[in-house]
Amino acid sequence: GIQVEQSPPDLILQEGANSTLRCNFSDSVNNLQWFHQNPWGQLINLFYIPSGTKQNGRLSATTVATERYSLLYISSSQTTDSGVYFCAVRAGSYQLTFGKGTKLSVIP
Amino acid sequence: DTEVTQTPKHLVMGMTNKKSLKCEQHMGHRAMYWYKQKAKKPPELMFVYSYEKLSINESVPSRFSPECPNSSLLNLHLHALQPEDSALYLCASSQGPGSPLHFGNGTRLTVT
Repeated sequence: GIQVEQSPPDLILQEGANSTLRCNFSDSVNNLQWFHQNPWGQLINLFYIPSGTKQNGRLSATTVATERYSLLYISSSQTTDSGVYFCAVRAGSYQLTFGKGTKLSVIP
Repeated sequence: DTEVTQTPKHLVMGMTNKKSLKCEQHMGHRAMYWYKQKAKKPPELMFVYSYEKLSINESVPSRFSPECPNSSLLNLHLHALQPEDSALYLCASSQGPGSPLHFGNGTRLTVT
């Protein structure tokens, strides 16, 4: 099956700092999503981005499908950004495969 | 994503109990999913229903029994669970393959 690797596994930021999270995947995909899981377990859709670039407020994402990677940018981080960020991909079937996640801690 | 509703939010059950988890969506999606998430791990796919038919079963033990009564509802019937089945159970829906998944808030299950 398709392999998904996320980096870094852990990230600690001072409030106000910027960060870039990376997702590499091993095969062509027809679906790539970024999720934020908050400390209460809620899995929140950030982006549906199988290719191209999207922005939503302080967050933006870019997927370069031909090179099999996606980047999630967080600018001016806030303590509420803390949690685990998952990249998940699908290659043709219904099965969405998750990476292991990046645990982000934003400290005041 | 609050458009997928899961009940209950928390469930504690003994190993001899029978219980059910429920999931409902009103977005007209034709695919519904159950995922299991253990602590500090990513979600893992258990079942997929497409047009109310079971299309994927990821070798899940028979003590977990899914049911899709109609296109808006998905149940997960639990029987004779083990303590290691304690986890967050997430329901999701999508328009179809290739479409984004929308997740519910999950049911946190503890088996004693």
